[in-house]
Amino acid sequence: EAGVVQSPRYKIIEKKQPVAFWCNPISGHNTLYWYRQNLGQGPELLIRYENEEAVDDSQLPKDRFSAERLKGVDSTLKIQPAELGDSAVYLCASSFLAGTTDTQYFGPGTRLTVL
Amino acid sequence: DAKTTQPNSMESNEEEPVHLPCNHSTISGTDYIHWYRQLPSQGPEYVIHGLTSNVNNRMASLAIAEDRKSSTLILHRATLRDAAVYYCILRDVGGDTGRRALTFGSGTRLQVQP
Repeated sequence: EAGVVQSPRYKIIEKKQPVAFWCNPISGHNTLYWYRQNLGQGPELLIRYENEEAVDDSQLPKDRFSAERLKGVDSTLKIQPAELGDSAVYLCASSFLAGTTDTQYFGPGTRLTVL
Repeated sequence: DAKTTQPNSMESNEEEPVHLPCNHSTISGTDYIHWYRQLPSQGPEYVIHGLTSNVNNRMASLAIAEDRKSSTLILHRATLRDAAVYYCILRDVGGDTGRRALTFGSGTRLQVQP
């Protein structure tokens, strides 16, 4: 079974440029998460989807970040414009949420460097 | 949310058992104890979880103290591939928080020496 797929794996851009990350979750998973991981720290949630609905986006910096999950499958996370502080690893995770909790499966992440 | 405390780093020798501790003195009755690990340059991966009783799976064992204020992840025979950051995470299934994202701390960085 294929795992969570993310692309690109690495991205280097200059500040003020836009950037987008793509995530393909595990087939059948209804919940999708985007996390951001700064160097030396644990991942932190940016946004959580249940099917197509963003049910928790309280940590998403909405002035420059946006996300979408079309048809409840693939998801795209966009930053426009990027700032130096956005340099981090962006992780996508998916799960099948049935009941009160789930096991999350993570992709390898996209390492973003903003110059 | 209840918090967890883990040592910053630990070392082990290859093929020896490793005991990774986690303190969670403010754990509630509906908090599950989850462990994830993150290998270098990879996303986190699920290891094991439990509520009250000790748990075993193919990757590890989880020993939970009788008062549930601490737990220990046990790797029975460490290999070089087990070198990773290990995260102990509480998830409350008594309400909506069990459906929320994982709240990661800084974890324990395990080094395995050959």
